Amino acid sequence: DQQVKQNSPSLSVQEGRISILNCDYTNSMFDYFLWYKKYPAEGPTFLISISSIKDKNEDGRFTVFLNKSAKHLSLHIVPSQPGDSAVYFCAASAGPGNQFYFGTGTSLTVIP
Amino acid sequence: EAGVVQSPRYKIIEKKQPVAFWCNPISGHNTLYWYLQNLGQGPELLIRYENEEAVDDSQLPKDRFSAERLKGVDSTLKIQPAELGDSAVYLCASSHSGRYNEQFFGPGTRLTVL
Repeated sequence: DQQVKQNSPSLSVQEGRISILNCDYTNSMFDYFLWYKKYPAEGPTFLISISSIKDKNEDGRFTVFLNKSAKHLSLHIVPSQPGDSAVYFCAASAGPGNQFYFGTGTSLTVIP
Repeated sequence: EAGVVQSPRYKIIEKKQPVAFWCNPISGHNTLYWYLQNLGQGPELLIRYENEEAVDDSQLPKDRFSAERLKGVDSTLKIQPAELGDSAVYLCASSHSGRYNEQFFGPGTRLTVL
């Protein structure tokens, strides 16, 4: 039973445009969310996080939005760069000390 | 600062053979995780250690999988005997203990069982 879902396996965006990656979750107890970025043959690297007490967190070109009522979060990358081409995973946890559940990932391709 | 180190990076074995993966976490990280990642899927937690104690191993298939973290630093994950369905990437991650802490992942070990 997939508690964290990324329904778009892939996304292509022109360089300079906005990339929007979506993530849905089913467990209303989730209160902390992470986005990871993964290049081929490497482990995932942390990108940005958001707590359920916030609805937005921004770090440079990356912004994560959280809509608790819809159980939905999204990652915005503006402007997109070719180096952003990677697989992006969202992950969610229900309380401190609990495990993170990962989505299946979205492969982003930024076209120069 | 050195990252999480895993070895080997790749391993090919025949079914029913044993296999072991090694992980050296980032210095000072008390929490260590082993994840399984199948093709096209996200990482799935197998076991989590706080220092040398396994605090969450509910998803570790204990009939064939075992893990240890002696002295609360390095960790080894073993499969014996391996099955065809065990072919996957095995990721190790570490973090500081606490509420929510960023997990740093190693590059993973890609296992192929023939």
